[in-house]
Amino acid sequence: SQQGEEDPQALSIQEGENATMNCSYKTSINNLQWYRQNSGRGLVHLILIRSNEREKHSGRLRVTLDTSKKSSSLLITASRAADTASYFCAKGNTGFQKLVFGTGTRLLVSP
Amino acid sequence: KAGVTQTPRYLIKTRGQQVTLSCSPISGHRSVSWYQQTPGQGLQFLFEYFSETQRNKGNFPGRFSGRQFSNSRSEMNVSTLELGDSALYLCASSPNSGTGVNEQFFGPGTRLTVL
Repeated sequence: SQQGEEDPQALSIQEGENATMNCSYKTSINNLQWYRQNSGRGLVHLILIRSNEREKHSGRLRVTLDTSKKSSSLLITASRAADTASYFCAKGNTGFQKLVFGTGTRLLVSP
Repeated sequence: KAGVTQTPRYLIKTRGQQVTLSCSPISGHRSVSWYQQTPGQGLQFLFEYFSETQRNKGNFPGRFSGRQFSNSRSEMNVSTLELGDSALYLCASSPNSGTGVNEQFFGPGTRLTVL
């Protein structure tokens, strides 16, 4: 079963606008990761944020983590049509390479 | 470096048959994980192998099995296929050798259809 719930389930915006996706989880984490998936293909890693970090940036991406609320958010600034994809958060914990994925947010960026 | 490769990319089988999927990790990566993705259940962890040993296993029936070879390549097998096994099967590799979870590099997946 999935431990991460994401909202919104779907998001439709125009190019140039910002997109924010939220992820909540139930149990403690070592880190939280965000992945992108284009149309039923493999996943691409975007950002990993550790439990002792609060914010992380990578290009147009900004991820925040609030461990007290067990939630994370992914912000994509100045969205482009190429950002159209599904975005998943994944909970990582110490031990082995097992990720527990959220339900995903489908993002549609229109030109 | 070449990315994670999975073969075959598409597969059609009938109920009751068995299937073997193959995954070649990125060179130097010793950890290989498998995930099943379906519209209903989303992305679910199947198992992870490291140095030819299964280190972790998800909540799947025994019909799902896997193995890893000395060159880190991995295979997963599903026996007695059911309609519900239709899914995208994703393989991921990671260089991680110990505790802690690092980013994983995913292959393009094998889309299995069971008729």
